[in-house]
Amino acid sequence: SQQGEEDPQALSIQEGENATMNCSYKTSINNLQWYRQNSGRGLVHLILIRSNEREKHSGRLRVTLDTSKKSSSLLITASRAADTASYFCATLRQAAGNKLTFGGGTRVLVKP
Amino acid sequence: GAGVSQTPSNKVTEKGKYVELRCDPISGHTALYWYRQSLGQGPEFLIYFQGTGAADDSGLPNDRFFAVRPEGSVSTLKIQRTERGDSAVYLCASSSFGGLDTEAFFGQGTRLTVV
Repeated sequence: SQQGEEDPQALSIQEGENATMNCSYKTSINNLQWYRQNSGRGLVHLILIRSNEREKHSGRLRVTLDTSKKSSSLLITASRAADTASYFCATLRQAAGNKLTFGGGTRVLVKP
Repeated sequence: GAGVSQTPSNKVTEKGKYVELRCDPISGHTALYWYRQSLGQGPEFLIYFQGTGAADDSGLPNDRFFAVRPEGSVSTLKIQRTERGDSAVYLCASSSFGGLDTEAFFGQGTRLTVV
């Protein structure tokens, strides 16, 4: 079963616009991570936010975490065609032996 | 090596055959994960190793699937009596066991097609 569920499942935007995607999860976590995947192969780690953090920035990425609502959002500002990819959230629970559990992903298309 | 290496990158096999998928993690990484990903879906957890032992194998779908990591580095995922439903991309990831800030590094995956 998947811990996280992303919303929307697909997103199409113009280059230069911002892209926002959300992730909801079901159980308590130690951290939440966002990954990017191109062409259905290897995933690349983007950013990690701990359960005691509320917001984190990395370049054009902004991640928020609301543990009371068990949700997170990923914002990509000033999107580029190269940002076209699938984005996945993954949760880590030490109580589950540091198992990293992924959601279903958001497919983002940035049109030039 | 510089990253996680998975071999082969593609594997086509006939229904009922046995296959082995190999994962070479980043040197020194003690944690190793196997995932399976079907088209349009997120990675589905299969098994997690901490060192040589399987810390969590709750994601293995049935007893046709087995994974080993005998020396705590290279891991092999073994699938017996393959079925068409086993067709997917099998992803391997490794991470250092360093607490709460541990990110996972993924290989490029093995695309398994059972015909």
